[in-house]
Amino acid sequence: EAQVTQNPRYLITVTGKKLTVTCSQNMNHEYMSWYRQDPGLGLRQIYYSMNVEVTDKGDVPEGYKVSRKEKRNFPLILESPSPNQTSLYFCASSRTGSGANVLTFGAGSRLTVL
Amino acid sequence: AQSVSQHNHHVILSEAASLELGCNYSYGGTVNLFWYVQYPGQHLQLLLKYFSGDPLVKGIKGFEAEFIKSKFSFNLRKPSVQWSDTAEYFCAVNESSSASKIIFGSGTRLSIRP
Repeated sequence: EAQVTQNPRYLITVTGKKLTVTCSQNMNHEYMSWYRQDPGLGLRQIYYSMNVEVTDKGDVPEGYKVSRKEKRNFPLILESPSPNQTSLYFCASSRTGSGANVLTFGAGSRLTVL
Repeated sequence: AQSVSQHNHHVILSEAASLELGCNYSYGGTVNLFWYVQYPGQHLQLLLKYFSGDPLVKGIKGFEAEFIKSKFSFNLRKPSVQWSDTAEYFCAVNESSSASKIIFGSGTRLSIRP
């Protein structure tokens, strides 16, 4: 089944404790992206990647890191989480090229930072 | 910079009422346009898309959207809503001439009274 898999789905952590949210897709998509969803603010893009070793900042990259060493994986790293990073996070992927940018989303990861 | 505006943050309708959700974007070039839907507790899924051709596009579950280039708009419509349409709706856009990041609006929460 074609899908985007995120882990963990739920996580409660404390300020400053490094964490990684994994994202993996099995569709050989070039484009991958991380979003955070907050009430009243919709989806805001954190980072995106056009292909392996090609990443770029979205609208709210502060406090986050990403890497794209393999095509299928795009982990989101919070080096020193803070309470304002409490949010619902979505990973998504798509093919690239004209007419190809339909995103497939993961199920979401709800993160709480105390 | 590209941006997407959804002016209706929360819309409340009764069953069988007609629906129109507004979406405006700011970008001068050729774009791909999308509407995604997020049902309660679920991840985002594609409702419909416009890449080129007929500006009136039809999606799943009786939804349609019309691309009006002169108004930079891509409004979502449904003639008669059902309680099961209760969800959050997101408009999104990306530049179609090359692989590029996809920008989302802030979302519109739709509540349907049975």
